[in-house]
Amino acid sequence: QQQVKQSPQSLIVQKGGISIINCAYENTAFDYFPWYQQFPGKGPALLIAIRPDVSEKKEGRFTISFNKSAKQFSLHIMDSQPGDSATYFCAARSNSNYQLIWGAGTKLIIKP
Amino acid sequence: DGGITQSPKYLFRKEGQNVTLSCEQNLNHDAMYWYRQDPGQGLRLIYYSQIVNDFQKGDIAEGYSVSREKKESFPLTVTSAQKNPTAFYLCASSENSGRAEFFGPGTRLTVL
Repeated sequence: QQQVKQSPQSLIVQKGGISIINCAYENTAFDYFPWYQQFPGKGPALLIAIRPDVSEKKEGRFTISFNKSAKQFSLHIMDSQPGDSATYFCAARSNSNYQLIWGAGTKLIIKP
Repeated sequence: DGGITQSPKYLFRKEGQNVTLSCEQNLNHDAMYWYRQDPGQGLRLIYYSQIVNDFQKGDIAEGYSVSREKKESFPLTVTSAQKNPTAFYLCASSENSGRAEFFGPGTRLTVL
């Protein structure tokens, strides 16, 4: 019940295309859903985050779509660029202990 | 500049030796965390601390120890009891009332 399941494990997208990464959860006590971007040898950096009272949040080329009834949320990267090549992690935070539960990560490669 | 610093960036250790990884933050965050990341895998929580002089075990605490004597510092000791310590270690911090975790640049530990 504490898991966050992330898919796909890896993804290859052509430059200019749309990258979509999906996450699913079971625990209804999760109340905050961030996405992190990690480049090799670096720490993860917060990319965008959403709360469950909102169905979509957009920041530049990055959009989170949130489906509360299905307990799923996804990251969409529009007009994907080679510089977006990185590993992306979804996470969910419990409102009881503020701990983040992490997805396993998606390695995204944008082909020029 | 506010942020999280980890030192050293690379660390080599002989089997049977204890080693301490440094983590310092000047964000005035109450909570601090240590994660372990293995190649191609997600983040696993080792220890976390929500307040000075208090810390809790995460999912993989065996073979590790921490202290939280100051708000800005949360050192991690990898002991000789840790069976497979070679990994990338990430320190993070967050406000207890907030949501986002902010990460340091990481320390790559290699056991020779």
